[in-house]
Amino acid sequence: EADIYQTPRYLVIGTGKKITLECSQTMGHDKMYWYQQDPGMELHLIHYSYGVNSTEKGDLSSESTVSRIRTEHFPLTLESARPSHTSQYLCASSELAVTEKLFFGSGTQLSVL
Amino acid sequence: SQKIEQNSEALNIQEGKTATLTCNYTNYSPAYLQWYRQDPGRGPVFLLLIRENEKEKRKERLKVTFDTTLKQSLFHITASQPADSATYLCALGFRSGGYQKVTFGTGTKLQVIP
Repeated sequence: EADIYQTPRYLVIGTGKKITLECSQTMGHDKMYWYQQDPGMELHLIHYSYGVNSTEKGDLSSESTVSRIRTEHFPLTLESARPSHTSQYLCASSELAVTEKLFFGSGTQLSVL
Repeated sequence: SQKIEQNSEALNIQEGKTATLTCNYTNYSPAYLQWYRQDPGRGPVFLLLIRENEKEKRKERLKVTFDTTLKQSLFHITASQPADSATYLCALGFRSGGYQKVTFGTGTKLQVIP
């Protein structure tokens, strides 16, 4: 069982609100990721980090921001949520190794009204 | 353009039969390929990894093949059970600038009928 946790599981908020999606892992993994997934669609990488104080943008442009102050924690923030941000957000981690086996959290389903 | 294609339609099979899922890709040269299982409302769970120099990998009832000439991977579940019903994702892995990158397909939904 993967030791990676996301909160909240579900979030319904109004347009313009600031939100932070939490992600924590207890495996000591250096690399962490945020993916966005819409129903029936592939996962799109929006942010990743190689370690503390390292953050990079992924393949899909996103208005969200991330921070990595501690190895185990990789929160994602939206300063002003819009209906177009409605999606499932999945956090993952992996060891810095030859192959990337990803461990995923259960996800946060975000609905912006 | 680069594409990873998995059967967009759901695959329905009878319990006990072998399920075969396909992953085709174009304009990629992956170093490895992974298969994940995803249940509704949950994150994907890693199942198997096969490297570019490997032809076949097995794990219990699961078998993966990787043909870099055809640019295709096949994922087999033998003696399928209703509990195997889920969406299965193919993911290609690349090495770029000393780091790794993984790109996912859209997945195939498998329904095993009792």
